Amino acid sequence: GQQVMQIPQYQHVQEGEDFTTYCNSSTTLSNIQWYKQRPGGHPVFLIQLVKSGEVKKQKRLTFQFGEAKKNSSLHITATQTTDVGTYFCASSNDYKLSFGAGTTVTVRA
Amino acid sequence: DTAVSQTPKYLVTQMGNDKSIKCEQNLGHDTMYWYKQDSKKFLKIMFSYNNKELIINETVPNRFSPKSPDKAHLNLHINSLELGDSAVYFCASSQMHGHNEKLFFGSGTQLSVL
Repeated sequence: GQQVMQIPQYQHVQEGEDFTTYCNSSTTLSNIQWYKQRPGGHPVFLIQLVKSGEVKKQKRLTFQFGEAKKNSSLHITATQTTDVGTYFCASSNDYKLSFGAGTTVTVRA
Repeated sequence: DTAVSQTPKYLVTQMGNDKSIKCEQNLGHDTMYWYKQDSKKFLKIMFSYNNKELIINETVPNRFSPKSPDKAHLNLHINSLELGDSAVYFCASSQMHGHNEKLFFGSGTQLSVL
């Protein structure tokens, strides 16, 4: 299946700061989905991007799909303790949704 | 009302045993999945069923046998459990079998093989 690489693997953020996590592929992606998994929880769908250059916002979260559809980013502003968890990007190929390795976010109060 | 429910939540067993995990979804979805999440949180698809038919089988050992009695249920039976089978197993569902379908995950079954 398609390989999506996520960086960084870990992100330690001071409460109130911004951060970005990235999802990259060597091939053109048909779509990108983002999921959040809280500690001890299950992945929960956040958003899907399909169009080249697409930008979507959910409150403090901004999701982007690159112009070449080979990368995506998730930017969180004014990080809160509720943002703790692992953020996964995923892309489908041959009807299989393959997940990146995730970015695990911890927040210092 | 839990949309995708799986049981048990925890499963501790000895090597060589056979165990089953059950999954049910009440969303009316056509497609169900089993994913395995290892200790490094890597999520890997194992199986996918669409309307009770096996669609995806991702080079999983024959010891793993999924069964879908109807489109709302997808169970996973594991024979001769090995230490490496220890992981969290997630059931998931999507409305249909397609490229842009979002997945709804169950709460997971943490399997520990001793």
